[in-house]
Amino acid sequence: DQQVKQNSPSLSVQEGRISILNCDYTNSMFDYFLWYKKYPAEGPTFLISISSIKDKNEDGRFTVFLNKSAKHLSLHIVPSQPGDSAVYFCAASGRIQGAQKLVFGQGTRLTINP
Amino acid sequence: DTGVSQNPRHKITKRGQNVTFRCDPISEHNRLYWYRQTLGQGPEFLTYFQNEAQLEKSRLLSDRFSAERPKGSFSTLEIQRTEQGDSAMYLCASSLSSDYSPLHFGNGTRLTVT
Repeated sequence: DQQVKQNSPSLSVQEGRISILNCDYTNSMFDYFLWYKKYPAEGPTFLISISSIKDKNEDGRFTVFLNKSAKHLSLHIVPSQPGDSAVYFCAASGRIQGAQKLVFGQGTRLTINP
Repeated sequence: DTGVSQNPRHKITKRGQNVTFRCDPISEHNRLYWYRQTLGQGPEFLTYFQNEAQLEKSRLLSDRFSAERPKGSFSTLEIQRTEQGDSAMYLCASSLSSDYSPLHFGNGTRLTVT
């Protein structure tokens, strides 16, 4: 039972353009969502998070949008830079499961082309 | 603050042998987590500690696995009688106690069971 899904295994974007990564979830009890970036041979690095009381959170070039009715979140990166090439994971947690027990999606490999 | 540190980075062992991994969390973080990641998947929760108390364990953590955090600082994860299916990246993370504090991951220990 995949509670958090990233349906695009890969995405290729031109440098300077917007990258949009998508994530869907099935468990309505999730109330905290995060995005992580992972380079090869490194652990996941926290990027940005959003709680269910918000629908948008922005941090520099990164913005996360949450659509609770659709159980969908997205990460926008603008402008995209070559250093953004990595695997991106969305993750979710909720008070019922344990707020710190993150459930991760399968990841999307983002490639930024010069 | 040097982040979460994990040792060793790589471990190759023969089936049936025991292995132990170590994690040193960020010093001011009192929550510590173990996750496992296999190829093409996101990290999966194994267990977590609040200080020295192990508060939750996943069904993934069979009785061959044991984790400790004896003084509420570093943690060890031991796998007894390793099996080929144990081959994976074992990730440690730490966080503050607040329910909405993001997890900060180490670079992981890659285990290969031959």
